[in-house]
Amino acid sequence: GQQLNQSPQSMFIQEGEDVSMNCTSSSIFNTWLWYKQEPGEGPVLLIALYKAGELTSNGRLTAQFGITRKDSFLNISASIPSDVGIYFCAGGAGNMLTFGGGTRLMVKP
Amino acid sequence: GAVVSQHPSRVICKSGTSVKIECRSLDFQATTMFWYRQFPKQSLMLMATSNEGSKATYEQGVEKDKFLINHASLTLSTLTVTSAHPEDSSFYICSAREGTSGETQYFGPGTRLLVL
Repeated sequence: GQQLNQSPQSMFIQEGEDVSMNCTSSSIFNTWLWYKQEPGEGPVLLIALYKAGELTSNGRLTAQFGITRKDSFLNISASIPSDVGIYFCAGGAGNMLTFGGGTRLMVKP
Repeated sequence: GAVVSQHPSRVICKSGTSVKIECRSLDFQATTMFWYRQFPKQSLMLMATSNEGSKATYEQGVEKDKFLINHASLTLSTLTVTSAHPEDSSFYICSAREGTSGETQYFGPGTRLLVL
């Protein structure tokens, strides 16, 4: 099925560094969602964006709904070891979600 | 709020047997539930969309007679893998969409199925 272009595929960073990841699409979405998945678990919703241009924060996480409605980014500031996991973006349209391929984040203490 | 549970969390079965996985929305009514399959190091692959009281809509390539879905109430959907084979071994995840949350889906913790 269709996937969003999510980059980078993986990141290996030092604790305390900031992280940025993004998703792009050729299609327009009504909703952008960011999830985090840890091994053996289901994805957990981090941030939901519902309007073009919307910038939303959740603690150290900040995400934006691109003005063109075709992209979104997620920033994590001052990373900590428990940020390790796979981050998925998802674009919502027509009551369905299209997922990015995921960004695997590894944090070195 | 918006908690989704899944049971069992993991199951091992013999080839040829059927396995039922339950998905429940614990604190909201789910007008629509979704079933995904995830292979190692890959993204989620939508299998089917389940609406309460109606037949599920299956994605292309997903056998509806093999993956039986029942959505009998606004808080429960079940996926039955019939006559399971080793190639059905995977991580199955359900999600639920609340009527007022637009396209936002809340995911269950997943079920690890291993068919011997």
